[in-house]
Amino acid sequence: NAGVTQTPKFRVLKTGQSMTLLCAQDMNHEYMYWYRQDPGMGLRLIHYSVGEGTTAKGEVPDGYNVSRLKKQNFLLGLESAAPSQTSVYFCASSYRDGITDTQYFGPGTRLTVL
Amino acid sequence: AQSVTQLDSHVSVSEGTPVLLRCNYSSSYSPSLFWYVQHPNKGLQLLLKYTSAATLVKGINGFEAEFKKSETSFHLTKPSAHMSDAAEYFCVVSDLMNRDDKIIFGKGTRLHILP
Repeated sequence: NAGVTQTPKFRVLKTGQSMTLLCAQDMNHEYMYWYRQDPGMGLRLIHYSVGEGTTAKGEVPDGYNVSRLKKQNFLLGLESAAPSQTSVYFCASSYRDGITDTQYFGPGTRLTVL
Repeated sequence: AQSVTQLDSHVSVSEGTPVLLRCNYSSSYSPSLFWYVQHPNKGLQLLLKYTSAATLVKGINGFEAEFKKSETSFHLTKPSAHMSDAAEYFCVVSDLMNRDDKIIFGKGTRLHILP
């Protein structure tokens, strides 16, 4: 049981390049999330998914796209990377039991855009 | 609308002394509240959560938090700090009964342990 895994762990891009971050979970969770973490800002939600085939915008969605073709995978894409997207990206998955939503996080991807 | 405020961005305590990390929240309904810990270069790990059961919640590694509705607080405490507690801590509020249905993270408190 690996929990939530993220690929890659580190990446350096040049401005304008594209890339895809992969998140995988083996807990059969319906909900999956992508966050970015910047110093002094806490975690900010980029996009999320409430089930296979669904996606929704979070707090800071501009410049990112996502897809959830399989329940266990949630992909985050950057079509044209910008230096402002230099950040640490965390994926999370969760289950909801009617009154609460407990999130489980991956180890993060550190992205630098030059 | 929901919000969460972590009152200190940095807290320093000596090893063996008590830890207090403060969190205040705002929510229209009955929220769920969480504390997560993040060690350097790691992901976030759930410490504990409150979901309208007992107001005093015990978590891992000797941490606990008390939900005080009258004070809208959910402070994290530990009786005796250990060097391994040095990390960043996030308070999180979630209100699934609210139409906004959001999960809000505080900006974090970095805990420093002095030898």
